[in-house]
Amino acid sequence: AQRVTQPEKLLSVFKGAPVELKCNYSYSGSPELFWYVQYSRQRLQLLLRHISRESIKGFTADLNKGETSFHLKKPFAQEEDSAMYYCALSEHSGYALNFGKGTSLLVTP
Amino acid sequence: ETGVTQSPTHLIKTRGQQVTLRCSSQSGHNTVSWYQQALGQGPQFIFQYYREEENGRGNFPPRFSGLQFPNYSSELNVNALELDDSALYLCASSLGGGRSKETQYFGPGTRLLVL
Repeated sequence: AQRVTQPEKLLSVFKGAPVELKCNYSYSGSPELFWYVQYSRQRLQLLLRHISRESIKGFTADLNKGETSFHLKKPFAQEEDSAMYYCALSEHSGYALNFGKGTSLLVTP
Repeated sequence: ETGVTQSPTHLIKTRGQQVTLRCSSQSGHNTVSWYQQALGQGPQFIFQYYREEENGRGNFPPRFSGLQFPNYSSELNVNALELDDSALYLCASSLGGGRSKETQYFGPGTRLLVL
């Protein structure tokens, strides 16, 4: 069975501090992993996915198959990063996304 | 290019009633997926429609059904509403069906309250 675990419901950091949002998964095959973000009063949108191996808004995420993790990192948090972040897994990008419960990131000045 | 739209934005129903939610996919997209997001939870996959046919289904009972039209817009129907059906219902559109590498783009959601 597919499962995505985000252990932190809420993460609070100061502006300029490093941030890491944790995501662990269980899946028997080779999944595709994603981070989706929802800013206040906006719709859910894709932040990044592991197959792209790109950095978006300063965020990166590395797929660690040994630890079955896909943690989201940013070296210097900004106030505009405050949002709800969801880790998701899928067999294929275009198919059923299996989401974690989400982590609310609050960046304070 | 217009994004994914959903209607209505909010809806209140009573137990046992039926509800229809609507989704217009982003221009050029032929695939629509529906998700249910209960309070404090991540979205859960209900089903996907590709070229007017159901293309996969999550762990939801048969009283959750759907349609996709020739213009690729979609409906989600829920019969015999239960209190636990209260949630935000999201639709996402993409291109190329379930095996594609294309991104899913989400709509703003319909918030359903069942009393």
